[in-house]
Amino acid sequence: GNSVTQMEGPVTLSEEAFLTINCTYTATGYPSLFWYVQYPGEGLQLLLKATKADDKGSNKGFEATYRKETTSFHLEKGSVQVSDSAVYFCALSDTDDYKLSFGAGTTVTVRA
Amino acid sequence: DSGVTQTPKHLITATGQRVTLRCSPRSGDLSVYWYQQSLDQGLQFLIQYYNGEERAKGNILERFSAQQFPDLHSELNLSSLELGDSALYFCASSVGFGKNIQYFGAGTRLSVL
Repeated sequence: GNSVTQMEGPVTLSEEAFLTINCTYTATGYPSLFWYVQYPGEGLQLLLKATKADDKGSNKGFEATYRKETTSFHLEKGSVQVSDSAVYFCALSDTDDYKLSFGAGTTVTVRA
Repeated sequence: DSGVTQTPKHLITATGQRVTLRCSPRSGDLSVYWYQQSLDQGLQFLIQYYNGEERAKGNILERFSAQQFPDLHSELNLSSLELGDSALYFCASSVGFGKNIQYFGAGTRLSVL
């Protein structure tokens, strides 16, 4: 079946530091890959997506590249802000099974 | 604002009771998905409806059921509640299914005491 493994947290960073959250997946077929973010007390918001190999998703300074050869979709941001403090979820949606399969989530805290 | 509306925001009830969670999808979206977020299980897919028909089923207990109505809103019914059912329940909607983006509501937090 489909599964997503993402870096264990929590992660604590200082403002302007570089952030990377590792995500690898197992899937049959050709999945679409997503990063969702959950701010405190809120629902999940789509951060970025990629639908095929070598696609790069980007939004709000965050980037992730769909790497089929390493089955990975790592999230990166060059300079984090306090407002980036949240829980980040890596997810996949397979063409055969349209549900989203989520990783465990990584809690990121950015200190001023 | 995702455009997906979930009510109520919070629900506190006792073991053995039955509750109904409601979801209104974004305008134009035909698919509705239900997910459960708990500390021990993480985010898990429960069930999907597309245009009134059940489309896919995940780890949904037999005590739980759902439906999607002609106006496309959906309800998730949870019965014979147990302490372990305490969780955040999310609804998401998408235009169709497959590679369509799913937009999430703010969730209903259920506390079973």
